[in-house]
Amino acid sequence: GQQVMQIPQYQHVQEGEDFTTYCNSSTTLSNIQWYKQRPGGHPVFLIQLVKSGEVKKQKRLTFQFGEAKKNSSLHITATQTTDVGTYFCAGDAGGTSYGKLTFGQGTILTVHP
Amino acid sequence: DGGITQSPKYLFRKEGQNVTLSCEQNLNHDAMYWYRQDPGQGLRLIYYSQIVNDFQKGDIAEGYSVSREKKESFPLTVTSAQKNPTAFYLCASSIAGVGSYNEQFFGPGTRLTVL
Repeated sequence: GQQVMQIPQYQHVQEGEDFTTYCNSSTTLSNIQWYKQRPGGHPVFLIQLVKSGEVKKQKRLTFQFGEAKKNSSLHITATQTTDVGTYFCAGDAGGTSYGKLTFGQGTILTVHP
Repeated sequence: DGGITQSPKYLFRKEGQNVTLSCEQNLNHDAMYWYRQDPGQGLRLIYYSQIVNDFQKGDIAEGYSVSREKKESFPLTVTSAQKNPTAFYLCASSIAGVGSYNEQFFGPGTRLTVL
């Protein structure tokens, strides 16, 4: 079945440093979504990427979808303590399983003030 | 307020007992999902339903059962056949349909501990 791998598993940064997490799917995706889960909380939707090569920005966050629609990345510029949490990518293979997401293992981000 | 509610937040059960987790949404979403999250791991799909009275197994359905009799409700039963039921259970919903942006909205979760 479809697999989504995400690296790194953990990332510790000093406040102000940049952060990147990478996501790779074993199959071509219809779209990829990113979620953030704060400690003790539930996942919250950040963004959905649909087009090959798509790049979207949300303030300090930059999301990319690869040309082959099999990989994606999330980059945070100048991290803040409010960025702490686990970031998940989730791939949608589309077709008859449209809407069914396969989540990566997540990257746990710790930001030291 | 629109959203997804899960109850209870914490649940304790004895080994061998079935337990049902509640999930209700008032977002008028067609699709609903159940995930299991274990420490340090991603979300694994248990069951999902794209329309009332229909549901499909996810990646780890063994030992679980669901029903979808109403659009708003998607309860999950953890049966005694589930070998390792202690986990954090998350319910989610989304607008179904190809071509739509199908972000998933999550409930606050139920932390189940089997003693």
